[in-house]
Amino acid sequence: DIQMTQSPSTLSAFVGDRVTITCRASQSFSSWLAWYQQKPGKAPKLLIYKASSLESGVPSRFSGSGSGTEFTLTISSLQPDDFATYYCQQYNSYSRTFGQGTKVEIK
Amino acid sequence: EVQLVESGGGLVQPGGSLRLSCAASGFTFSSYWLSWVRQAPGKGLEWVANIKEDGSEKYYVDSVKGRFTISRDNAKNSLFLQMNSLRAEDTALYYCARERWGNHFYGMDVWGPGTTVTVSS
Repeated sequence: DIQMTQSPSTLSAFVGDRVTITCRASQSFSSWLAWYQQKPGKAPKLLIYKASSLESGVPSRFSGSGSGTEFTLTISSLQPDDFATYYCQQYNSYSRTFGQGTKVEIK
Repeated sequence: EVQLVESGGGLVQPGGSLRLSCAASGFTFSSYWLSWVRQAPGKGLEWVANIKEDGSEKYYVDSVKGRFTISRDNAKNSLFLQMNSLRAEDTALYYCARERWGNHFYGMDVWGPGTTVTVSS
């Protein structure tokens, strides 16, 4: 099975900062990667699909890129509403593995 | 409104069984793959199982194979997870989620609020 490793596990940043989260796969796969945001006590929310496509209604400060084994989620200017935990998820025919998560905290 | 609502969680002893349900509304249930995803207290998300639109394909994470069974009733817009031989490590909040597909899997775009399963003596 493909394993997904996110870095960093925790990130401290100021409002207005540019933030980048990386997701690395244990082996190369197609770009069927999604990113989610989860706030405490809430269900996850789909942000990005197919590695770089923005889900409807998601602010344009969120963007995704990458292929092969390395993918990134970038928040161009961190807003107070963005402090949350972010997860990547890979797809293959038989599984939907999540990364371990990256918590974005206020600095 | 597109909605998923889970039910059936509770406290169960190790080795016991529980059946989770997920009621869907607001969309054509029979046109979507569906997944169960769980989150242990203070931990990350773990995909558990999924099922094709017509129920003909089902997949599971290794840790639940042989113990959990996913099923659906398209006539009743309902998804199920039968959990047997429960272990302490199955303790988690269980979400059902809708999978959106284009020419491939795009992501899980609708989630329920979750139902809590606690396995403890």
